[in-house]
Amino acid sequence: DAGVIQSPRHEVTEMGQEVTLRCKPISGHDYLFWYRQTMMRGLELLIYFNNNVPIDDSGMPEDRFSAKMPNASFSTLKIQPSEPRDSAVYFCASSLDTQYFGPGTRLTVL
Amino acid sequence: AQTVTQSQPEMSVQEAETVTLSCTYDTSENNYYLFWYKQPPSRQMILVIRQEAYKQQNATENRFSVNFQKAAKSFSLKISDSQLGDTAMYFCAFMKREYNFNKFYFGSGTKLNVKP
Repeated sequence: DAGVIQSPRHEVTEMGQEVTLRCKPISGHDYLFWYRQTMMRGLELLIYFNNNVPIDDSGMPEDRFSAKMPNASFSTLKIQPSEPRDSAVYFCASSLDTQYFGPGTRLTVL
Repeated sequence: AQTVTQSQPEMSVQEAETVTLSCTYDTSENNYYLFWYKQPPSRQMILVIRQEAYKQQNATENRFSVNFQKAAKSFSLKISDSQLGDTAMYFCAFMKREYNFNKFYFGSGTKLNVKP
């Protein structure tokens, strides 16, 4: 298996622009997680899905953030409009009972 | 309340020596899973080892082993024969069923520096 796939690996954008991060989970996994990691706040859970249904989005910082999982093999995390404080590494992970992480997307908002 | 506690923010060890990273967790459940993840400077989160709570035998993966003390709710990671490539952030994590869903909790991490 190729593992969890994330794209893009790096994204540099300007404040106010829309950013879309993509994730392909490991085939057969029924959970998908989106995390954000910064030096200041550490690893934060943003949202997670079970069988494509959002279960807990209490970690989504504000309405500028949205996540979707239209099918079992694809999820997106969208930030619109982006702000400099959104700069972070965003991880996607999938699981049955063990989480496996993607390589992350390093987002820089100028 | 912190569900997973890693009390050592940073540690150092000489190459080839043994180091133990501590982790405690809080739960009233009897069935759960515990994990250690490694995050090297590349930022990739890598699963190091996992332990099912119902198994009494401590999990081992090559140079990595755990000391799982269920009654004490302790799950420490021992790295033997430390190598420079072990330099990384290490996260302890815990998974239990909560409201019919798997819920994961992560500690704040321990930064390990292996010195030559």
